[in-house]
Amino acid sequence: TQLLEQSPQFLSIQEGENLTVYCNSSSVFSSLQWYRQEPGEGPVLLVTVVTGGEVKKLKRLTFQFGDARKDSSLHITAAQPGDTGLYLCAGGSIETSGSRLTFGEGTQLTVNP
Amino acid sequence: NAGVTQTPKFQVLKTGQSMTLQCAQDMNHNSMYWYRQDPGMGLRLIYYSASEGTTDKGEVPNGYNVSRLNKREFSLRLESAAPSQTSVYFCASSGIGRGQPQHFGDGTRLSIL
Repeated sequence: TQLLEQSPQFLSIQEGENLTVYCNSSSVFSSLQWYRQEPGEGPVLLVTVVTGGEVKKLKRLTFQFGDARKDSSLHITAAQPGDTGLYLCAGGSIETSGSRLTFGEGTQLTVNP
Repeated sequence: NAGVTQTPKFQVLKTGQSMTLQCAQDMNHNSMYWYRQDPGMGLRLIYYSASEGTTDKGEVPNGYNVSRLNKREFSLRLESAAPSQTSVYFCASSGIGRGQPQHFGDGTRLSIL
């Protein structure tokens, strides 16, 4: 069974601060996805990274896939209240051609004005 | 522009009752999934269907059954509900292959008394 450990579980910061969320595993994944979920809704994809060492930027969000494809990080610069939500990382299984995902426990981010 | 539609949105059951959660997608996706989400545990895969006509167990299949009715529809059945099955249930769909994003419905909030 592949496991993804996400940290921290909860994060409460002030507007304008920077933060990093980590996603770690002992298993190798075919891809790594980050989702954001708001109350009462399903998760929505933010980004997919597929190559070891890959870095992707989405406005103030920077995503990195570890060289060995076992870990990933999400860095937010100058956080805003609109960034508040549950952030989930998910690894694609190598055995099932990558379609099946294993999710981390999630990081609940609160950005205070 | 419906995407993934889940019904019902809310349900309260008594222990031992049965019910079926419905899910339909209009994106012509081959793969569909059922997850449950509990506080601090992220999303756990119950069952998935890689393509029409096939279903496979996920991490937590006990107490559940599924039916892939056709390419659009994937239902989840609780034969004899238990309080431990109180959760938020999400259906998702995706294309096949590495890095394919999963598209989620808005969830069914199920309480078992």
